[in-house]
Amino acid sequence: GQQVMQIPQYQHVQEGEDFTTYCNSSTTLSNIQWYKQRPGGHPVFLIQLVKSGEVKKQKRLTFQFGEAKKNSSLHITATQTTDVGTYFCAGPSGGTSYGKLTFGQGTILTVHP
Amino acid sequence: EAGVTQSPTHLIKTRGQQATLRCSPISGHTSVYWYQQALGLGLQFLLWYDEGEERNRGNFPPRFSGRQFPNYSSELNVNALELEDSALYLCASSYPSPGELFFGEGSRLTVL
Repeated sequence: GQQVMQIPQYQHVQEGEDFTTYCNSSTTLSNIQWYKQRPGGHPVFLIQLVKSGEVKKQKRLTFQFGEAKKNSSLHITATQTTDVGTYFCAGPSGGTSYGKLTFGQGTILTVHP
Repeated sequence: EAGVTQSPTHLIKTRGQQATLRCSPISGHTSVYWYQQALGLGLQFLLWYDEGEERNRGNFPPRFSGRQFPNYSSELNVNALELEDSALYLCASSYPSPGELFFGEGSRLTVL
């Protein structure tokens, strides 16, 4: 079945440093979504990318979807303590698995003040 | 507008018992998804319901079951509880076409 892998599993940064997490799917994706889960909270939708090579920005966050639509990245510029949490990518399964959103295992970001 | 609501917030059971978790989707959403988040294992897809029908199921044993009611709320039942069922169970809702998922706060199940 479809697998979605994320690296790194953990990332510790000093406040002000940049952070990047990478997501790779075993299959081509129709779209990819990113979620953030704060400690003790629930996942919250950040963005959805649909087009090959798409790049979207949300303030200090930059999201990219690979040309082959099998990989994606999230880059945070000048991290802040409010960026702490787990970042998940997720891709939909197609065919008979339509409707199933497969999540990567997440990257846990710690920001030291 | 109310978000996705789940109950109970916490549930403690012993091995072999049954647990029932409930979820009310956002008004207007017809799809409900259930995910299991065990410690260190990310979000594992359990079930997807839409318009009262089970549309898809993850790789979980049959003792994990559920249903969706006419008002689109949903119930997840876990029978014959095992210690490894201890996890946060997250419910999410969306419009019929899978897009953005709106998650509830989750129900934390502890099996002793």
